[in-house]
Amino acid sequence: DAKTTQPTSMDCAEGRAANLPCNHSTISGNEYVYWYRQIHSQGPQYIIHGLKNNETNEMASLIITEDRKSSTLILPHATLRDTAVYYCIVSPDDKLIFGTGTRLQVFP
Amino acid sequence: GAVVSQHPSWVICKSGTSVKIECRSLDFQATTMFWYRQFPKQSLMLMATSNEGSKATYEQGVEKDKFLINHASLTLSTLTVTSAHPEDSSFYICSAHMTGTNSPLHFGNGTRLTVT
Repeated sequence: DAKTTQPTSMDCAEGRAANLPCNHSTISGNEYVYWYRQIHSQGPQYIIHGLKNNETNEMASLIITEDRKSSTLILPHATLRDTAVYYCIVSPDDKLIFGTGTRLQVFP
Repeated sequence: GAVVSQHPSWVICKSGTSVKIECRSLDFQATTMFWYRQFPKQSLMLMATSNEGSKATYEQGVEKDKFLINHASLTLSTLTVTSAHPEDSSFYICSAHMTGTNSPLHFGNGTRLTVT
């Protein structure tokens, strides 16, 4: 079973920041937080991952709370092409178990 | 960046026949690959872990005799759906990890199987 809880869906205006929350209250010390997204009829695309510290790359920022029980994925300037299902996954290794994710709809 | 390629991207077959799906890591070696299945409007479900040079590890409820996995080289894993039935129609996705690194898992673009 997935160990994360995410809202089923969210909307975001184009050009605004999209903040996607994820709860993982039972996360273990050796488990990473991974974020992937899936655009319709494609394979999942890696976005970012982290263990304890906040992370940033060209796609997004990942903010992990100090107790590591929750995290937020931030897309700083959402575009229409960011419309997708976003999955937050916690795992100590490569074996990723997907939950239901958040369907992000970016609107003009 | 790491690229995982699946072939074919879609396939239609008749009930009772077998279908082979290939998953290749194009620019890296992958000791381990993973196979997922996704039904419409559902999330990805992990089917099995494919290990180079050894038997695959199947998740609970996945029939190993129906979904044959072969990982004969460090860049290729195949999934064969044997005696396919309409209920096997699904989106099959593979993923691979670059051996010897802590890079994240990369996914192929999936294979849509339709069994008529």
